[in-house]
Amino acid sequence: QAQLVQSGPEVKKPGASVKMSCRASGYTFGSFGVSWVRQAPGEGLEWVAWISPYEDNRNYPQTTQGRVIVTADTSTNTVYLEVGSLTSDDTAVYYCARERAASAYDVWGQGTLVTVSS
Amino acid sequence: SVLAQPPSASAAPGQTVTISCSGVTSNIGYNDVNWYQQLPGQAPKLLVYGRNQRPSGVPGRFSASKSGTSASLAISGLQSDDEADYYCSSWDDTLNGPVFGTGTKVSVL
Repeated sequence: QAQLVQSGPEVKKPGASVKMSCRASGYTFGSFGVSWVRQAPGEGLEWVAWISPYEDNRNYPQTTQGRVIVTADTSTNTVYLEVGSLTSDDTAVYYCARERAASAYDVWGQGTLVTVSS
Repeated sequence: SVLAQPPSASAAPGQTVTISCSGVTSNIGYNDVNWYQQLPGQAPKLLVYGRNQRPSGVPGRFSASKSGTSASLAISGLQSDDEADYYCSSWDDTLNGPVFGTGTKVSVL
């Protein structure tokens, strides 16, 4: 069945960058867009990036544009998210999710905890 | 979060609990609403999408509706396993991206 497996937890200092991965299996990688959604401790869900893997189309909210880069490697069915200039506000669990339809995500990764602390 | 939800909702086992989700024309008014369930420590799970469609495996106890710029999720035959956080989402034409609700914590009395 369709599955997304994410990389492990990260601890970074303020000002650093972090790059995390999301490997897809069990479906045709290029047939679905993939979004990254983050959740700060005790908070709600926030969309941070989207990519269409084969077309290499990307979309970001204005709140993260310029600090966040999403990429895809179609040879390994892997999507990456890089977040730069980290602050404590970036501390969150980052999920990748397969887009079934606009804002409808039917397959989710297990989440990657990113902790930003000095 | 762009979409407003009540912070909590509750009902007794076997009863129905309804969660609201309020937006504006550029999101719920023009686009479909989706609903997610998030159990503690887990990733969200898609419950309902599009025009009240459920992914395989989601029981019919979960049903959604939309009117104007508001939407709602009804959970009937409430069970203890339904205790979780619930989020709505929709596409926003102005922001050109998906937006999520503030989340509602459902408790079974």
